[in-house]
Amino acid sequence: AQSVTQPDIHITVSEGASLELRCNYSYGATPYLFWYVQSPGQGLQLLLKYFSGDTLVQGIKGFEAEFKRSQSSFNLRKPSVHWSDAAEYFCAVAPTSGTYKYIFGTGTRLKVLA
Amino acid sequence: NAGVTQTPKFQVLKTGQSMTLQCAQDMNHEYMSWYRQDPGMGLRLIHYSVGAGITDQGEVPNGYNVSRSTTEDFPLRLLSAAPSQTSVYFCASSPLAVNQPQHFGDGTRLSIL
Repeated sequence: AQSVTQPDIHITVSEGASLELRCNYSYGATPYLFWYVQSPGQGLQLLLKYFSGDTLVQGIKGFEAEFKRSQSSFNLRKPSVHWSDAAEYFCAVAPTSGTYKYIFGTGTRLKVLA
Repeated sequence: NAGVTQTPKFQVLKTGQSMTLQCAQDMNHEYMSWYRQDPGMGLRLIHYSVGAGITDQGEVPNGYNVSRSTTEDFPLRLLSAAPSQTSVYFCASSPLAVNQPQHFGDGTRLSIL
């Protein structure tokens, strides 16, 4: 069965520091992968997505993610965090053909110190 | 462009009451879904629909009903609310292709007393 693991529940970084949020997936083939961000009191917004091709994908707000098949990972990175990046981040896997059951990780809550 | 609209934003119910959470989208998306978000558990899929007249169960469907009579609307019904259904509920929509990201509403925060 497909699964998504986000091992870090909370992460705290200082403003201007670099950031890496981890995501590991379990899937039989190359998956479709997404990162979403959720600001307090709001719905989820797409940051970036990976389907195939270049394993380093760029997203909005200066975020990027790297797909590593050998490690079954899709980690999200940002070189310099801004205070406005404080939010909850979700990794998600698109369903296998025909099921349409997306799977989300449990989320990582990011706190940014001024 | 309103996107995905959920109503109400907040609701308090008593155990045993019924209620319908509304979800509407104006993007002509075939796929619509309902999730519940609970602390430490991420988003869990309740029900989804791939088009008008077609619905299917997700990971946690018990206690919830859905129907899809139009492309635009996908209401979620709680027939007899239980405290375990206290949660934040999100509706999402997308084109019908697995490589398409979902568009989310702002959520409904539901408390069952």
